[in-house]
Parts: sequence; C-alpha cells; structure tokens
Amino acid sequence: QKEVEQDPGPLSVPEGAIVSLNCTYSNSAFQYFMWYRQYSRKGPELLMYTYSSGNKEDGRFTAQVDKSSKYISLFIRDSQPSDSATYLCAMKGMGRRALTFGSGTRLQVQP
Amino acid sequence: GAVVSQHPSRVICKSGTSVKIECRSLDFQATTMFWYRQFPKQSLMLMATSNEGSKATYEQGVEKDKFLINHASLTLSTLTVTSAHPEDSSFYICSASFAGGFENTIYFGEGSWLTVV
Repeated sequence: QKEVEQDPGPLSVPEGAIVSLNCTYSNSAFQYFMWYRQYSRKGPELLMYTYSSGNKEDGRFTAQVDKSSKYISLFIRDSQPSDSATYLCAMKGMGRRALTFGSGTRLQVQP
Repeated sequence: GAVVSQHPSRVICKSGTSVKIECRSLDFQATTMFWYRQFPKQSLMLMATSNEGSKATYEQGVEKDKFLINHASLTLSTLTVTSAHPEDSSFYICSASFAGGFENTIYFGEGSWLTVV
C-alpha cells in the first residue's frame, strides 16, 4: 500500500465549476501537507500548505486537512482553463524535509 | 520569492556516456537539496537527500554508483548519471530547503529532461 493515495484522473470540468481534489494517507507522522500544481514538462509549483488539521484559504483555493481521517482536500472555486494541470498532494513529518508525494490528479477545465 | 534553477532543462546523450545536471539555489543558501525522478504521468519519486558538505543519503533501490550526487556548496548540488542507459530516460527534478526556513519551505527547480539514445 502506498503511503499517499491520490486518484490520477483525469478530471474534466466546465469552466466556473468547483473542483475537489483529494488524497488519503496512512502515515500518522505526517504533519505538513502541501498541494503543488505541475504543468506539463515543468517543475511543481507550491500552491498551498497546511500544518496539522484545519482549513486554509488563498484566493480561489482552499486546502483542508482532516488528520483523524487521514484525508486532505484542495478545492478550486471558479475554475479556469488555466487551472488545467496536474495537482500533486505532498506531505511530510516533523523534522523531515523530504516530501512524500501522491501520484497526482490531472485536471482539465473546459472553456 | 526563492528560485531554484536547474541546468540543462533538456539533454540527450548516447548510451554509455555520463551526464551532469546542476541544481542551484539563486537567492538563498540551501542546506539540503533533494533529487527526484518522475516518469511520464507518474508522481515524483525521491532519489536522494543531499546535505551540503556531506555524502548524500539515497533512497532504497537507488544505485549510488550510478547516480552520483555532489553538494559542494550551499547553492549548488549536482546529479551525475553515469553510464546512462535508455531506461534512465526520465524527468529529474531537484528541490531545496534552506536553514532557518519554515518546515514547509521547499522550492522546486524546473526539472531536467534526460533522453538516452
């Protein structure tokens, strides 16, 4: 079993839709949770990070962490065609700097 | 914001030759750098963790003698793929974190596409 599970998609939505992306994990030591956006053939770009459980909002993006369920989510409101990319969840434990990534979900926002 | 630069962005080499990829932190001192490998439509797999001035720590299954990592300064780490073979063709990405940064402060380079022919 992978430490981090993420549905690979592809997920196709119309422009303006609310997008929900999710990951589950098995390692209870994970404390820091991130979402990265990766365009084709590019390095990952950090979108959101959250420490422990809770919600965090930044513009159209909201990250949620539920440590009791070992479940994290990224919501994208008013999705745009420019949001089309692969979204990777990543997480790590305290004191460890290397990240463990999910497999990524490919999102396509149709104009 | 912090920038991590990788060079070259694309490289094609012949089977059996070696190729070096550089990872530089442009505006901060990176005490730790990480090298990842990503196959098409797959996630990033950590290859090794590199601390400045010490030997890299390799993940299980990664050949130390094939993937040589050097972190000679606080702004530069290099990955050398030795005696490359077509199965080494992949997207290699480095990331860097800096001393004093928050736990979440990990920046990625743009990646380097390696094609071995």
